[in-house]
Amino acid sequence: DIQMTQSPSSLSAFIGDSVTITCRATQRVYNYLAWFQQKPGKAPKSLIFAISNLHSGVPSRFSGGGSGTDFTLTIYGLQPEDAATYYCQQYHKYPITFGQGTRLEI
Amino acid sequence: EVQLLESGGGLVQPGGSLRLSCAASGFTFNNYDMSWVRLAPGKGLEWVSVITSDGGKRYNADSLEGRFTISRDNSRNTLYLQMNSLRAEDTAIYYCAKTLVGLVTFDYWGQGTLVTVSS
Repeated sequence: DIQMTQSPSSLSAFIGDSVTITCRATQRVYNYLAWFQQKPGKAPKSLIFAISNLHSGVPSRFSGGGSGTDFTLTIYGLQPEDAATYYCQQYHKYPITFGQGTRLEI
Repeated sequence: EVQLLESGGGLVQPGGSLRLSCAASGFTFNNYDMSWVRLAPGKGLEWVSVITSDGGKRYNADSLEGRFTISRDNSRNTLYLQMNSLRAEDTAIYYCAKTLVGLVTFDYWGQGTLVTVSS
């Protein structure tokens, strides 16, 4: 199975800051890498697919990058509503796997 | 507008069974693979199962040990998850999710249904 490891597990930042979350896979996943946001008591929200493609309606302050086994999610100009847990996901091979999550406190 | 509405969750004893449903609307259901993902208390998202658009192929997480079966009724625009031999560790919110065409990643999610396995 492909293991996905996110870092940090949690972080705290201020409104207006930029933050980067990293996601490392145990083998190459090519461009089959997605990011999701989940707030307590809410359904996950899809942010990014294929490393860097934003889903419709996702603010442009969210940006994805990376290649091979190492990927990033960067949020520019943090807003209060960005407080959430963020997950990466690989969909290159079954079983589909998620990272353990990164909790972002604003 | 895409809508996914799960139902069927509840309290069940260990060893029991439950069937979840997900009613879909706002898109052509039979054009898309569909999936179930769960969130256990204090844990992260865990992929459970996926079924192809025509129902011809299914893939499950290995950890389920064959206890869960995904299915769909394209005439009713509904996705199902039959869960048998339930264990305490299956306690979670179960989400249905619509996939992108040809890819097992997700664009839309339901609001989730809570399954609690406890005596």
